Amino acid sequence: AQSVTQPDIHITVSEGASLELRCNYSYGATPYLFWYVQSPGQGLQLLLKYFSGDTLVQGIKGFEAEFKRSQSSFNLRKPSVHWSDAAEYFCALLRNTDKLIFGTGTRLQVFP
Amino acid sequence: DSGVTQTPKHLITATGQRVTLRCSPRSGDLSVYWYQQSLDQGLQFLIQYYNGEERAKGNILERFSAQQFPDLHSELNLSSLELGDSALYFCASSEGPTTSYEQYFGPGTRLTVT
Repeated sequence: AQSVTQPDIHITVSEGASLELRCNYSYGATPYLFWYVQSPGQGLQLLLKYFSGDTLVQGIKGFEAEFKRSQSSFNLRKPSVHWSDAAEYFCALLRNTDKLIFGTGTRLQVFP
Repeated sequence: DSGVTQTPKHLITATGQRVTLRCSPRSGDLSVYWYQQSLDQGLQFLIQYYNGEERAKGNILERFSAQQFPDLHSELNLSSLELGDSALYFCASSEGPTTSYEQYFGPGTRLTVT
């Protein structure tokens, strides 16, 4: 069955520190993968996507993600976190070109 | 701003009632998706429409229905509401199932059933 796992429910980092949010997927074929961010009381904003090709993809707000087929992972990274990055982050898998299957999300807290 | 609009932003209603949530997709997008976000179920896909036709269905309850109109806006109808239907309902849109796989989300409608 297709699924997305985000092992970390809550992560706390200091402002300026590097960040890595983990995402593992289960899918039979080459997956289409996404990272979305949700700020409190807001909708979901698309950060970046992977369809094929280069396994390191760049997104908005200085985020990047690396697709690793051998590990079934699509981890999100940022070299230096800003206080405004505090939010909930969702990894998602596109199934059959229609529905997105979301992970349970990782809540990021940033300390000054 | 994604370009997807949803109304109303908040809705408070009583059990047994019926409500309608409205969504306008981004200009040029033909596909509309509905998702439900709740604390216990997380983000769940409900239904997809493409150019007025139902294309895919998720775990949508029989009490819920949706449609997409000729102007491409969509409505999600929730009836015989129960306390457990309280959630954030998102609409998303994309160009189409074979042209673009990126879904852009609206700000959501928060439904509270009392």
